[in-house]
Amino acid sequence: QSALTQPASVSGSPGQSITISCTGTSSDVGGYNFVAWYQHQPGKAPKLTIYDVSHRPSGVSNRFSGSKSGNTASLTISGLQAEDEADYYCGSYTSSRTWVFGGGTKLTVL
Amino acid sequence: QVQLQESGPGLVKPSETLSLTCTVSGDSVTTYYWSWIRQPPGKGLEWIGYIYYSGSTNYNPSLKSRVTTSVDTSKNQFSLILHSVTAADTAVYYCARMDEQAFDIWGQGTLVTVSS
Repeated sequence: QSALTQPASVSGSPGQSITISCTGTSSDVGGYNFVAWYQHQPGKAPKLTIYDVSHRPSGVSNRFSGSKSGNTASLTISGLQAEDEADYYCGSYTSSRTWVFGGGTKLTVL
Repeated sequence: QVQLQESGPGLVKPSETLSLTCTVSGDSVTTYYWSWIRQPPGKGLEWIGYIYYSGSTNYNPSLKSRVTTSVDTSKNQFSLILHSVTAADTAVYYCARMDEQAFDIWGQGTLVTVSS
């Protein structure tokens, strides 16, 4: 199974919006609505931020939103804040009943 | 509040066996599926496999021949064994709870280095 494709880095200024893409295949991202996004800050455990493509867990800010079109899922963060600076990983269920992650995207808040 | 904590040796010699345990607090290991995930230095996340307390398992095909997982309900723990390790197995290893099709609770992670 190949890793999902994410941009290595994105950046934005406070208050702006950014979008991170996650491209897979019809055997993972495109085939199921089981795409999740994880926020990973240094020294902390990864945190589930979006599940089932567009659902937010309790306690996650509504500035985070997810969507999917075909084989590409996206995470959008609006009203960017300094505390959003982190690595973000997408993950998807696959047709092999396994899970695959993206390579991660480093978000820098300028 | 559910918490997961990985434990095990931080250094393993090449060709030997890596063994890690995840202790679950605030929840029962009989309630959910549980996974292991790792992150090599400077790289992305890699799913290793999952286990259910009944013994049901599934593993990443790239690791399947070397991986074993188990659950100890009496200790509320689950474990990972990875055989015949090489330097490529050096990584931060995470345990995580699976809720539906997402990993909703993660441990802090433990660095395992494979070196002689």
